Amino acid sequence: DGGITQSPKYLFRKEGQNVTLSCEQNLNHDAMYWYRQDPGQGLRLIYYSHIVNDFQKGDIAEGYSVSREKKESFPLTVTSAQKNPTAFYLCASSPPKWDTQYFGPGTRLTVL
Amino acid sequence: GESVGLHLPTLSVQEGDNSIINCAYSNSASDYFIWYKQESGKGPQFIIDIRSNMDKRQGQRVTVLLNKTVKHLSLQIAATQPGDSAVYFCAGGAGGSYIPTFGRGTSLIVHP
Repeated sequence: DGGITQSPKYLFRKEGQNVTLSCEQNLNHDAMYWYRQDPGQGLRLIYYSHIVNDFQKGDIAEGYSVSREKKESFPLTVTSAQKNPTAFYLCASSPPKWDTQYFGPGTRLTVL
Repeated sequence: GESVGLHLPTLSVQEGDNSIINCAYSNSASDYFIWYKQESGKGPQFIIDIRSNMDKRQGQRVTVLLNKTVKHLSLQIAATQPGDSAVYFCAGGAGGSYIPTFGRGTSLIVHP
């Protein structure tokens, strides 16, 4: 069963804590992306990676960090420096060069 | 830079009607466009795409029209069903780049 998985589906965090959101794909895609979605808003790009061991900041990277040690995995860490982290987080992947992006089911992060 | 926007935040239709969702883009270099459907609490799903060398593309019950002159595209859904209720996003970009631009989305509400 090919696709993109994200875990957990729901995540609760206390203020001041770092949390890591998982994203895994078995589509053999080179490119992976993290987006943030707020109510009534479009998708905003946090980080993206074209290839293993390389990643680039998107439009709203402050307070977030990523790693790309394996082609299949692109975890996102939401740090305590992110002032308003409560949101729906979406991971996506695509073949080399932008083409159709395939999205995971999302993780809803709530800061208590 | 590119901006992509949808014309209406909400569209209400009756079951069986045809629905038309519109999208405008700003970058005349954009040559690839995708429509996504996002149900509540889920990740976006690919519906249909179109490249700039085409004016029209049809799928199952869906048609995308591209007017490059006025930088406008539309998604037409025939015989709209309650299961079509969702938020619809357009995304556009230049092929060969890695980063698409997403519109904010139109919420389609189908009344039985």
